[in-house]
Amino acid sequence: DTGVSQDPRHKITKRGQNVTFRCDPISEHNRLYWYRQTLGQGPEFLTYFQNEAQLEKSRLLSDRFSAERPKGSFSTLEIQRTEQGDSAMYLCASAGGGLDTQYFGPGTRLTVL
Amino acid sequence: AQSVTQLDSQVPVFEEAPVELRCNYSSSVSVYLFWYVQYPNQGLQLLLKYLSGSTLVKSINGFEAEFNKSQTSFHLRKPSVHISDTAEYFCAVSRGNTGFQKLVFGTGTRLLVSP
Repeated sequence: DTGVSQDPRHKITKRGQNVTFRCDPISEHNRLYWYRQTLGQGPEFLTYFQNEAQLEKSRLLSDRFSAERPKGSFSTLEIQRTEQGDSAMYLCASAGGGLDTQYFGPGTRLTVL
Repeated sequence: AQSVTQLDSQVPVFEEAPVELRCNYSSSVSVYLFWYVQYPNQGLQLLLKYLSGSTLVKSINGFEAEFNKSQTSFHLRKPSVHISDTAEYFCAVSRGNTGFQKLVFGTGTRLLVSP
């Protein structure tokens, strides 16, 4: 099964450190999304790529957050100078063209101490 | 902008009983509607979706949801639940008539099925 994969699955870091997460979408999916899910809440949209172009960013994505998808395949999400409020599950989803469904990865759980 | 309300944070039910998980949305434009399920320690999986056409949509495992435009609802129902249906269920909406489909999720409803 070549679903959406995310790495790492868990990350514990100290406040102020930088972290980077990776998402590998389903092969040939040109759309890629990042969401964040905190405890007791539904996922919240962070950003969206179509191929390598980042087409939309949520206001939730402060300037400490940066996402890339350099070759239109995998994507990385970096958080600089992490804060305790960044602790959450970071979800990646991919979709094909048109009205294709978004397929979610297992997520990366970030804990900031 | 779109928003989703799932009023029930938790729904306990006995096995083989019927269940309804409520979802109401708010939008000034046409929408697409989705139900995703999240089993413990797993990622979100699409359960069913409404894009257009018949307002009653069904999943392969017995769930169904009906789009009601006048009541702005998309409630999820199952006539007889199994223990294995225990999971978190998220209702989501996206703006219709666009391929972008940024999803706006509700806060989720935890379905607890007991024997």
